[in-house]
Amino acid sequence: GQNIDQPTEMTATEGAIVQINCTYQTSGFNGLFWYQQHAGEAPTFLSYNVLDGLEEKGRFSSFLSRSKGYSYLLLKELQMKDSASYLCAVRDAPPHKLSFGAGTTVTVRA
Amino acid sequence: DTGVSQNPRHKITKRGQNVTFRCDPISEHNRLYWYRQTLGQGPEFLTYFQNEAQLEKSRLLSDRFSAERPKGSFSTLEIQRTEQGDSAMYLCASSSRDSAQSLGYGYTFGSGTRLTVV
Repeated sequence: GQNIDQPTEMTATEGAIVQINCTYQTSGFNGLFWYQQHAGEAPTFLSYNVLDGLEEKGRFSSFLSRSKGYSYLLLKELQMKDSASYLCAVRDAPPHKLSFGAGTTVTVRA
Repeated sequence: DTGVSQNPRHKITKRGQNVTFRCDPISEHNRLYWYRQTLGQGPEFLTYFQNEAQLEKSRLLSDRFSAERPKGSFSTLEIQRTEQGDSAMYLCASSSRDSAQSLGYGYTFGSGTRLTVV
């Protein structure tokens, strides 16, 4: 099975940087995903890591350390529209089921 | 292609009634997943189809739940004798067969069906 932990809530100021940590213990690993989910909407893909290191995509970056079972999502130059829940998910071997953490609610304040 | 489509978007039903949800995946995607999400939680896996074959079911999927994907295209999820605990968002997602590109993008989710059992 999978055990995925992430903080429940984080608050930051517009223009600032926020780092959301995720730790996981898994029986199989085939990649780690971060999704953004606005209230009442479906999760949307943000980033993917399968090898150790940092992946950068615009204002969002994600880091993975497989040996430590650790990932983080870095959100830079925060905007009000970034207020959402951020879900960490681990994919197992085929059929590539995703196991999700409970999500971190990020609130961006002016 | 407009992505993964789910119908209805919202469903309110009385306890004990049966409900059925539909998911239309992206046309070339052969893998289809159903997830359930309750307030303040991440999505939880329910079941998985590869083409028309249902290959895995979670223990969350009690015998009141049944899912089908008869022609390997759209899928339906039926809940019989609904209970208040079934109130949740039911999410469908699809993905294509393994490829370097698809592996890097995981799933595409539908907008979900929000079920309220009163």
